Amino acid sequence: DAGITQSPRHKVTETGTPVTLRCHQTENHRYMYWYRQDPGHGLRLIHYSYGVKDTDKGEVSDGYSVSRSKTEDFLLTLESATSSQTSVYFCAISESVGKETQYFGPGTRLLVL
Amino acid sequence: DQQVKQNSPSLSVQEGRISILNCDYTNSMFDYFLWYKKYPAEGPTFLISISSIKDKNEDGRFTVFLNKSAKHLSLHIVPSQPGDSAVYFCAASASGGSNYKLTFGKGTLLTVNP
Repeated sequence: DAGITQSPRHKVTETGTPVTLRCHQTENHRYMYWYRQDPGHGLRLIHYSYGVKDTDKGEVSDGYSVSRSKTEDFLLTLESATSSQTSVYFCAISESVGKETQYFGPGTRLLVL
Repeated sequence: DQQVKQNSPSLSVQEGRISILNCDYTNSMFDYFLWYKKYPAEGPTFLISISSIKDKNEDGRFTVFLNKSAKHLSLHIVPSQPGDSAVYFCAASASGGSNYKLTFGKGTLLTVNP
């Protein structure tokens, strides 16, 4: 299994509160991704990173920001959480892009009340 | 606009029989396809992939077939085992342009009955 951890694994927060989720990898892979999984939607890309300090938006990036100051860490921040951001969040990594497999972390379950 | 479609939300099969999970895509630029398996409360696990230059890839009990003209791929599991019960996601990517992105289907819940 790829060495990917996510923290916290579960979080309950209130609307309007800032939340930061952390993804940590030990594989030294260049590319890191944040997805959310919701019923009826599969997995949707929020943001991705193609190197330290290099990030870009995915298809559902509104309300989220990311940062990558080290190869091994990719942070996802909800500046002001809303109930629509209640979801399961998955981090993924890959060595390169294109015909390259992405490997996923165990997920963070976030509930915004 | 859903570019990767898994039209069957669920599938139930008997242990020992074949499971066939289907996936259709609309984007002709997709050239790499993957299947992931997901158990509850866990992250998706990579299962098998296929490049568009092939029409079949096999790994043990798992075989993926790709029909480019029909824009259709399928995952065959033979023989099915109760431990195969999970949600299966089909995903696709295009190696040109914004080639970072995997586009996922909504998933199919496979239940293998003992």
